[in-house]
Amino acid sequence: GQQVMQIPQYQHVQEGEDFTTYCNSSTTLSNIQWYKQRPGGHPVFLIQLVKSGEVKKQKRLTFQFGEAKKNSSLHITATQTTDVGTYFCGTDKLIFGTGTRLQVFP
Amino acid sequence: DGGITQSPKYLFRKEGQNVTLSCEQNLNHDAMYWYRQDPGQGLRLIYYSQIVNDFQKGDIAEGYSVSREKKESFPLTVTSAQKNPTAFYLCASSFFYSGTGITYEQYFGPGTRLTVT
Repeated sequence: GQQVMQIPQYQHVQEGEDFTTYCNSSTTLSNIQWYKQRPGGHPVFLIQLVKSGEVKKQKRLTFQFGEAKKNSSLHITATQTTDVGTYFCGTDKLIFGTGTRLQVFP
Repeated sequence: DGGITQSPKYLFRKEGQNVTLSCEQNLNHDAMYWYRQDPGQGLRLIYYSQIVNDFQKGDIAEGYSVSREKKESFPLTVTSAQKNPTAFYLCASSFFYSGTGITYEQYFGPGTRLTVT
């Protein structure tokens, strides 16, 4: 079956530094989704990528879908304390990565 | 206000007891899902339902049961057969889920934190 790996598991950054999390699937994906879960909260949808090589931006967040549609990344430029949380990728087979927990120090 | 609700927020049970977690949505979504979240393990799919009166097992269905008698409701029962029931349970819904092709954005409820002792 489909296997999904997400790295890193944790990332601690100083406010203003950049952050990237990567998601890799063992199978080709129809689409990939990204969610954010604040501490003590529930996952909230951020974005969906569908096309090979697709790049989407949301303010300081940049999402990429690989050419082979097997990997994806989320990059945050100049992190802020409001970015704290766990970022998950989710696949077309309802499989989620284990998440990357981001901690931002002021 | 459209959304998805779960109750209760915290639930405590003794070992050997069955417990039912509630999930209701008023988004008119066809598909609903139950996930379990353990520290460091992300979200794991327990059951999903594509349409009323139909549901499918996810990766970790053993020890759980569900029903989908109404479009708005998808309750999850954690049975005494579930060996490690203590976890954070999340219900979600989406417009549609075909099982093949593109998935739709999932809306998550606030979750129920179940503790079994």
